[in-house]
Formats: sequence, structure tokens, C-alpha cells
Amino acid sequence: GENVEQHPSTLSVQEGDSAVIKCTYSDSASNYFPWYKQELGKGPQLIIDIRSNVGEKKDQRIAVTLNKTAKHFSLHITETQPEDSAVYFCAASQGSSNTGKLIFGQGTTLQVKP
Amino acid sequence: DAGVTQSPTHLIKTRGQQVTLRCSPISGHKSVSWYQQVLGQGPQFIFQYYEKEERGRGNFPDRFSARQFPNYSSELNVNALLLGDSALYLCASSSLTSSGNTIYFGEGSWLTVV
Repeated sequence: GENVEQHPSTLSVQEGDSAVIKCTYSDSASNYFPWYKQELGKGPQLIIDIRSNVGEKKDQRIAVTLNKTAKHFSLHITETQPEDSAVYFCAASQGSSNTGKLIFGQGTTLQVKP
Repeated sequence: DAGVTQSPTHLIKTRGQQVTLRCSPISGHKSVSWYQQVLGQGPQFIFQYYEKEERGRGNFPDRFSARQFPNYSSELNVNALLLGDSALYLCASSSLTSSGNTIYFGEGSWLTVV
């Protein structure tokens, strides 16, 4: 079946450094790739998403890149701050985004040290 | 605007009992999906409803059922609870736009089965 692999599982950086999380997906029909930040005891918060018709999207300190040929997408966080510490999940739509079904990666626990 | 709202936030049930979880989507959103998130893992898709019709079902037993009401709110029901049903149950809301679906999650309902 379809799956999403996410790496690394844990990531520790110093405040101000950059953090990169990478995901690969298997469903060639996937066309929607959101990233979620989940803090302890809370639901996943959408932080950025990208669709298959673009290769890169940026929102302030956060950027996402997509390589459809290689089925890779990555999250880049620059100038990290302690409040960026959380679990980050990548996800890919099963088929087109109209299905509403997302396949999630296993999550990356990001720790930003002051 | 209010985000996705879920109730109850926490509940404890005994094995064999039944539970009903409720979700109100973002105003104007007609699609609701349900996910199960076990501790330490990414969310797993259970159901999607759009315009009151089931549009997708994940790999969950028939003990899990859901419905969507005319106001687009939704309920998830789980019968004959097992210890393994203990998890965070997430509701996701989405609205199809010209650029595709964007999927937002609520804070979830924490279910503990004892």
C-alpha cells in the first residue's frame, strides 16, 4: 500500500541554526503535501503545504520543496527558535487531494536548544 | 473564525463499551475526515465524509462507524471498545477550492479504554 517515510526521527539543533526534515512517498498520484506541527497534548497544526504543480513554497522562516520525479519533499526551517520545538509530520494525499485522505510519516521530534 | 472543534476533549471508557465523538468543521467546509493517532505515531485515516456521504474508509474494523449531518458536523462511533482503541481521535475539516483541498485538524478527543 501507499506509505510515507520520514527522516530523521529526532533532530536537535542550536537556536538560530537551520533544520531540515525529509520525506519520500510511494503513490505517484499524490498531489498534495502538507506539513503539520504537533505540540504535546494538541492536534496537528498545518504550517505549510505544497501542491504538485509547484516545486517550492516559502512562508517566512519555513520553506518546502517538492521533487515529484524522485517522490521527495522536504521541510526547511531557518533561524530556529525554542518555540519551534515540537513533533513535525509530513503527509501526502492518497491520490488527488480531493479524496481527503492523507498518509502520514512517522514524525520528527525537533528540539531547539537555547 | 472558529477552527475545527471536537468534543469531548478527554474521556475514559471500559472495555466493551461504546463511545461517540463529535466534530464541527470550519464554517463553510463540507468535508470531514476522522483519524486515529496512537501515541508516538502519525495519524491514520479512518473515514472521510463529504456532503453527508462516505467517500473513503481506512483499514479499520466494522466496530468503527461515522456519519455526517446536514450542517456538516460529524460523529464517530466505536462499539465494543478494546484496550487498543486507546488513542487520540482527530477530526479534519476541508473545503475544496480551485487550487485543491486544504486540510485542517482539530485538537482531538483523547480516549482511554480501561
